[in-house]
Parts: sequence; C-alpha cells; structure tokens
Amino acid sequence: EVQLLESGGGLVQPGGSLRLSCAASGFSFSTYAMSWVRQAPGKGLEWVSLISSSGGATFYADSVRGRFTISRDNSKLFLRVNSLRVEDTAVYFCARVVWSGSYRFDYWGQGTLITVSS
Amino acid sequence: QSDLTQPPSASGSPGQSVTISCTGTSSDIGYYNYVSWYQQHPGKAPKLMIYEVTKRPSGVPDRFSGSRSDNTASLTVSGLQAEDEADYYCSSYAGSNNVVFGGGTKLTVL
Repeated sequence: EVQLLESGGGLVQPGGSLRLSCAASGFSFSTYAMSWVRQAPGKGLEWVSLISSSGGATFYADSVRGRFTISRDNSKLFLRVNSLRVEDTAVYFCARVVWSGSYRFDYWGQGTLITVSS
Repeated sequence: QSDLTQPPSASGSPGQSVTISCTGTSSDIGYYNYVSWYQQHPGKAPKLMIYEVTKRPSGVPDRFSGSRSDNTASLTVSGLQAEDEADYYCSSYAGSNNVVFGGGTKLTVL
C-alpha cells in the first residue's frame, strides 16, 4: 500500500523558515517523481514544486522560486521553505507523480500545515 | 484567482447525473492530454479520479467519466451517491513543467 506521511509544519513568523518532510513507503520511491502541492485555508490547490526520480531535475512555481528548495533521499521527500510570507499559509501535501508519458498526482499524503503569522 | 475556471458549486439528487466543467486555454487543456480530476472530502487528501482526460484509475467507479471539448474539460458523475459529495478539482499540464489547477467545485448531493 502506498503511504505518504508529511511532517514538519507549524507556526512561524514572517521571514522564518521550516523544513517539511514526507516519508514514503509501499512503492519503489526512487523510480517516481514527487511533488509538493499546497492548499490555503478554504482555497483551491496550488502546485508548488516537482523533483525528478533521480533528484537531478527540480521545478518550482513562480510564487515560490528562489525561496523554496525541494530535495529527496532514498525514502523521503523534503521541502525547505525560507523567507516565509503570510500568503504561504497552507496545508502542504506531498504527492507521487506519474511523469513519463503522463502527468498526474496519483497518491497524496494527508498534508502538514504551515501557518505564517506574527 | 485560479488558472482554470470551474463553477463554485454543483448539485444533484441521488441517482441523477451531474457534470462539472473546467475551462482553460489552448496552452493547457486545449493542447495537452494531461487533464486530471481530483476528489477531496473535507479535511482529507485529494484522490485521483480521472487522468489523461478520460482514464479512470483502478478502483474508481465507472460512474465517473471525463471528456474534453476544445479548451474545456468536463467531469460527469452518473448515478449520484451520497458519498460523492465532495470538492472536485481539475488540473492540466501547462508546459514548461508547470501544472495548473481549477478553483474547485463543491458537489452537493441533495
């Protein structure tokens, strides 16, 4: 069974930083691209970042480029979030991506909440 | 404001059919076959319901179907059931490794 479990969210002041983690199990992690997608309270989904299966390619939404960094190791996905803004407040989901010959988020974690407030 | 446009709400009675639209542009929905639909119950993770415009993942009931005409994709739920009440989001690949989502549609089963 595919499982994705996020952690690392919390309350942080504007300008602060956090490191989100997503522990993956139940599939061959190293063969899948992975993404972070966020959802502000009461709002829709917003794609944040994608990393290739090897980790050699990374991509970001314009709204976070230069402030967020996606990375991965053998079984975990990470998102380093710096220079946080109030508008970054959201639940951050990690998602497995089918990226070759398709583009879909086929499994999602339950999410971790980042609240940016002074 | 989202990149793809969905109606904020839709509704139907049990057993009826309802269709949710998702309008994009010739640079996303109208160009790529990578349109997906996600179901999200309150406080839960999104679940993939349709991918590549019309395909259903294993385990998704065949009451759910997808289609596309020009720059507009649609999700149809036939034989509505109480458990179908949820938020539904469309998404499309938009090139340059960018994915766009719709603002979501709240489906109410009357």
